[in-house]
Amino acid sequence: DAKTTQPPSMDCAEGRAANLPCNHSTISGNEYVYWYRQIHSQGPQYIIHGLKNNETNEMASLIITEDRKSSTLILPHATLRDTAVYYCIVRVAPSNSGYALNFGKGTSLLVTP
Amino acid sequence: GAVVSQHPSWVICKSGTSVKIECRSLDFQATTMFWYRQFPKQSLMLMATSNEGSKATYEQGVEKDKFLINHASLTLSTLTVTSAHPEDSSFYICSARDNSGEQYFGPGTRLTVT
Repeated sequence: DAKTTQPPSMDCAEGRAANLPCNHSTISGNEYVYWYRQIHSQGPQYIIHGLKNNETNEMASLIITEDRKSSTLILPHATLRDTAVYYCIVRVAPSNSGYALNFGKGTSLLVTP
Repeated sequence: GAVVSQHPSWVICKSGTSVKIECRSLDFQATTMFWYRQFPKQSLMLMATSNEGSKATYEQGVEKDKFLINHASLTLSTLTVTSAHPEDSSFYICSARDNSGEQYFGPGTRLTVT
């Protein structure tokens, strides 16, 4: 799986949009971008994933650049409960891989009142 | 959605004793389960891959005789930490892979060895 690079930490004011970047310059054409988050002392929680088109669900939006070398996870209206470590993971389609998800260091997002 | 549970959620044990952690997929069958370990302020590190009915595959540096994994059914995998020591104190997380290949994570088990 391709390597990802994320800033170690970010701050965001409550109610504002949180934009979390991820670089994955060596991504292959068949690899997806997945985002998970981990709230303190809990298991990782799936947020969203995409291949090349932008994606949106009830939790977040995922913007993938046209060359697919980077992406941004957007939490449109951050709340205090969004304080967590956010992991960007690049992987082949789950059906094509029996391997475990490989977690990097992620971005620690602190949402402040 | 797919739910994975772990039991216990936290456990304290004395040095030298063994402790068993259970991981269950509640509403789907999981032929593959994964065990991770997470130390404070660090990321999740894969310990082993467990396939139902066969021996687990351990990552480099993980002692298979110390961390016993059993995956006896399609919904249950267990991790037994044998002869636990304080350095084994950690947050243990399991995940289960469904038929589509997606991984779902349990809530984690906090192990403290005194």
